[in-house]
Amino acid sequence: EVVMTQSPATLSVSPGEGATLSCRASQSVSSNLAWYQQKPGQAPRLLIYAASTRATGVPARFSGSGSGTEFTLTISSLQSEDFAVYYCQQYNNWPGTFGQGTRLEIK
Amino acid sequence: QVQLQESGPGLVKPSETLSLTCAVSGYSISSGYYWGWIRQPPGKGLEWIGSIYQSGSTYYNPSLKSRVTMSVDTSKNQFSLKLTSVTAADTAVYYCARRGSGYNYADYWGQGTLVTVSS
Repeated sequence: EVVMTQSPATLSVSPGEGATLSCRASQSVSSNLAWYQQKPGQAPRLLIYAASTRATGVPARFSGSGSGTEFTLTISSLQSEDFAVYYCQQYNNWPGTFGQGTRLEIK
Repeated sequence: QVQLQESGPGLVKPSETLSLTCAVSGYSISSGYYWGWIRQPPGKGLEWIGSIYQSGSTYYNPSLKSRVTMSVDTSKNQFSLKLTSVTAADTAVYYCARRGSGYNYADYWGQGTLVTVSS
């Protein structure tokens, strides 16, 4: 099973600043990597797939990069609605495994 | 707009069978895509349970394969999950979802339903 490791576990950032979240795979997953945003009491929302392609309706301030084993989600100029938990997921190998999440909180 | 809605008992006794249904609106299951189930134990991360195609073709998570059965009813535009011999470790929010085109990420999600395993 491919193990996904996200860092940091918690990130404190002020509104208007940028944030960089990391995700590492235990083996290469090519570009088969997705990012999700989850707010309390809600289902996850797909943000990014294929490592860098924004899903429909996702603002341009969200961007993804990386391939192989190292991936990054960058959020420029954080808005109040961006504070949430973010998960990465590899789908190169079935069943597809998720990271443990990064909590993005208001500083 | 694709919408998914889970339904089923919120409380299941240990050793019994968990049964959930996902009703899909805004898209016909017969038109394609795989449809799946993902769960999230309280305060924890996410786990794919399995996915199913309109034809009934399935993929199950190896860690759950011996206990999972998924089925699809295209006439009702819905699909279902059965998980047998449940324990407290199966307590989770269960989400139904649509798999992205050709790949195992989830592009549309239901709101989720909490299933508690307790006597």
